[in-house]
Amino acid sequence: GQQLNQSPQSMFIQEGEDVSMNCTSSSIFNTWLWYKQDPGEGPVLLIALYKAGELTSNGRLTAQFGITRKDSFLNISASIPSDVGIYFCAGQGAQKLVFGQGTRLTINP
Amino acid sequence: EAGVTQSPTHLIKTRGQQATLRCSPISGHTSVYWYQQALGLGLQFLLWYDEGEERNRGNFPPRFSGRQFPNYSSELNVNALELEDSALYLCASSLGYGYTFGSGTRLTVV
Repeated sequence: GQQLNQSPQSMFIQEGEDVSMNCTSSSIFNTWLWYKQDPGEGPVLLIALYKAGELTSNGRLTAQFGITRKDSFLNISASIPSDVGIYFCAGQGAQKLVFGQGTRLTINP
Repeated sequence: EAGVTQSPTHLIKTRGQQATLRCSPISGHTSVYWYQQALGLGLQFLLWYDEGEERNRGNFPPRFSGRQFPNYSSELNVNALELEDSALYLCASSLGYGYTFGSGTRLTVV
């Protein structure tokens, strides 16, 4: 089945640092999405990417849809305490979203 | 517009019992997806319902089942509960691309 490899699994950074995480797949996806999950809550959509090569920003977040359609990355600039959580990438397959394993972000103030 | 709502928020059951979890999708969304998230782990796909029919099923035993009602709300039933069924169960709805998730039901099996 389709699988996404998301890295890193966890990150421990200082407040104010930039963050970068990525996802790779053996399959081609037509849509890539990035979600954030706060403790005890459901994931919330951050950014959606619909075209290969597309670079999209949402405030301090920037995400890109790889040109091969098999990868995507998410950058967070100047991290703040509320950025703490688990970040998931997801590729839109034929019948459902396929999720990465998640990146757990911890920020030291 | 109301989001995806799930009930109950928390559920405590004894091993061997049955649990029923409920989900109301965003108005107009016909697809409902169920995911299991064990503590600290990723999202494991359980079930997909669309237009009242089960469209796809993840790698879970038959004691995990569900249904979708004519108003597109959905139920997830877990029979013969086992300790390892303790997890956050997330429901999401969609109208095509991307999902909107509810806040989940935390099921604890003791």
